[in-house]
Amino acid sequence: NAGVTQTPKFRILKIGQSMTLQCAQDMNHNYMYWYRQDPGMGLKLIYYSVGAGITDKGEVPNGYNVSRSTTEDFPLRLELAAPSQTSVYFCASSGQEQAFFGQGTRLTVV
Amino acid sequence: AQSVTQLGSHVSVSEGALVLLRCNYSSSVPPYLFWYVQYPNQGLQLLLKYTTGATLVKGINGFEAEFKKSETSFHLTKPSAHMSDAAEYFCAVRYGGSQGNLIFGKGTKLSVKP
Repeated sequence: NAGVTQTPKFRILKIGQSMTLQCAQDMNHNYMYWYRQDPGMGLKLIYYSVGAGITDKGEVPNGYNVSRSTTEDFPLRLELAAPSQTSVYFCASSGQEQAFFGQGTRLTVV
Repeated sequence: AQSVTQLGSHVSVSEGALVLLRCNYSSSVPPYLFWYVQYPNQGLQLLLKYTTGATLVKGINGFEAEFKKSETSFHLTKPSAHMSDAAEYFCAVRYGGSQGNLIFGKGTKLSVKP
């Protein structure tokens, strides 16, 4: 049982480049989330989805986009990377109760 | 806005001492409540949860938490700290039951001194 799988684990981007962070879950969960974690700031919700075809903004959506074409996948897109997007990104999925997290993607924008 | 507050960004205890990490939530309607632990360079792992029923919940690694509605609190405790407990701990709430989003506190980093 893989749970929530995120790729890549590490990435360095140059300012202005774009990339997609991949997230897949095999638990048939409807809810999926993207969070970013910065030191001392906890986890901030970027986007979430309540099912295939339905997405909504969280607390810090600017500079990001998401799509949810299937129940399993919830990719996060950065179109024009900025230094402020240097962070650790976590994808999560949840059923009726707790969320399950991926191992994270450490992104550095230089 | 609905929120969750963790008192103390850093807590340091001696090995064998009581661990107490504090969490308060903002709603008068009891949410689902969770404690997660994060070890360095890893994702978050569920320690314990409260949804309904018994207000004292036991989790993994000897941790437990008590839901106190009158105090809107869900503090995490462990009677005797172990070196391996050193990690960051996050309280999270889910308002709206199974339909709500997860909101996290800012985390408390626990250090354990030998």
